[in-house]
Amino acid sequence: SQQGEEDPQALSIQEGENATMNCSYKTSINNLQWYRQNSGRGLVHLILIRSNEREKHSGRLRVTLDTSKKSSSLLITASRAADTASYFCATDAGYSTLTFGKGTMLLVSP
Amino acid sequence: NAGVTQTPKFQVLKTGQSMTLQCAQDMNHNSMYWYRQDPGMGLRLIYYSASEGTTDKGEVPNGYNVSRLNKREFSLRLESAAPSQTSVYFCASSLEYSNQPQHFGDGTRLSIL
Repeated sequence: SQQGEEDPQALSIQEGENATMNCSYKTSINNLQWYRQNSGRGLVHLILIRSNEREKHSGRLRVTLDTSKKSSSLLITASRAADTASYFCATDAGYSTLTFGKGTMLLVSP
Repeated sequence: NAGVTQTPKFQVLKTGQSMTLQCAQDMNHNSMYWYRQDPGMGLRLIYYSASEGTTDKGEVPNGYNVSRLNKREFSLRLESAAPSQTSVYFCASSLEYSNQPQHFGDGTRLSIL
């Protein structure tokens, strides 16, 4: 069963704009991870945020975590065409393996 | 530095045939995983190996078997392929079983006719 659910399912923006994707989950977690998947490739790990952290940055990526609402968001600032990909959240409850959502497809147009 | 290597990249099988998907990692990771990815379904865990010498079922293990050959290699076997097993299969590894990012191979695209 899927724990993390991304929203929206698809997002289309112009280069230079910011992209925000959300993830909701159902049970308590140890950490939440975001991954990117380019077409025809495997998933690439972007950020891991632990349950006691509220915000984390990596380059143009900003991830927030609200454990009271059981939700996370991924913000990509100043998007580029190369950011076009599917983005997945994955939850780690500590007692089992990662559970992935179904992903958000991001299209960044030049 | 290859990371996670999967072979083959593409395969077409007939119903009832068997085959083994190979996966090797060169990062000295303890844990390895097999997922399948289907349109609209996200990634679903088939089997995993938390450490060398152990294997456990994931969410969708029926029709599959695995072998953790050594610390580097984790293979997935389809004994009698069925059309429902048409999918993209990903192998992944992580340093430890929990609280660690996973590193993925580029997948095996498997079609069963």
